Amino acid sequence: DAKTTQPNSMESNEEEPVHLPCNHSTISGTDYIHWYRQLPSQGPEYVIHGLTSNVNNRMASLAIAEDRKSSTLILHRATLRDAAVYYCILSKYGNKLVFGAGTILRVKS
Amino acid sequence: DTGVSQNPRHKITKRGQNVTFRCDPISEHNRLYWYRQTLGQGPEFLTYFQNEAQLEKSRLLSDRFSAERPKGSFSTLEIQRTEQGDSAMYLCASTLDVGSGGTEAFFGQGTRLTVV
Repeated sequence: DAKTTQPNSMESNEEEPVHLPCNHSTISGTDYIHWYRQLPSQGPEYVIHGLTSNVNNRMASLAIAEDRKSSTLILHRATLRDAAVYYCILSKYGNKLVFGAGTILRVKS
Repeated sequence: DTGVSQNPRHKITKRGQNVTFRCDPISEHNRLYWYRQTLGQGPEFLTYFQNEAQLEKSRLLSDRFSAERPKGSFSTLEIQRTEQGDSAMYLCASTLDVGSGGTEAFFGQGTRLTVV
């Protein structure tokens, strides 16, 4: 599976939008873009995934660049409960998820 | 459904002892994964099952590690002759493979192993 590059950490203010970037310049046409997050002392939790088009769900939005070489996870209004490690993962259908180090998101009140 | 369940949540063992962890996936899920996570790192893939068949094992998985999923439902992960380097969080995840589209993986809360 192709690799992703994420910032080590980011900081946000509570109730403001957060844009978490992910670069994946070697993405292939069959790679899905997945986002998971992991709260302290918890297992990872699915956030969102997409292939080519932007996606929205109750937790977040996923904006995918037209060339698919980058994507952005958007949390519309950050809360303290959104403080977590966010992982951007590329995976072909049916393949295992390969986690990197992720982005530590800190939310300030 | 209560999600993916892992037992025990915590295990402290002496070096050289054997330990076994259990994972109960979401009932209709046909794929089950085991991961290991050490402090400050992302989860690291160990092995996965499609129903009862073990389809892939990481090269990092030494022969002291063995996993089973006897009837395609729950799974066990056994570590023999534990070493201090085995201390980690062991995570289980399950998915439903429907033949197309991206799949959402559901993770358990993990079993934290401490080898003393």
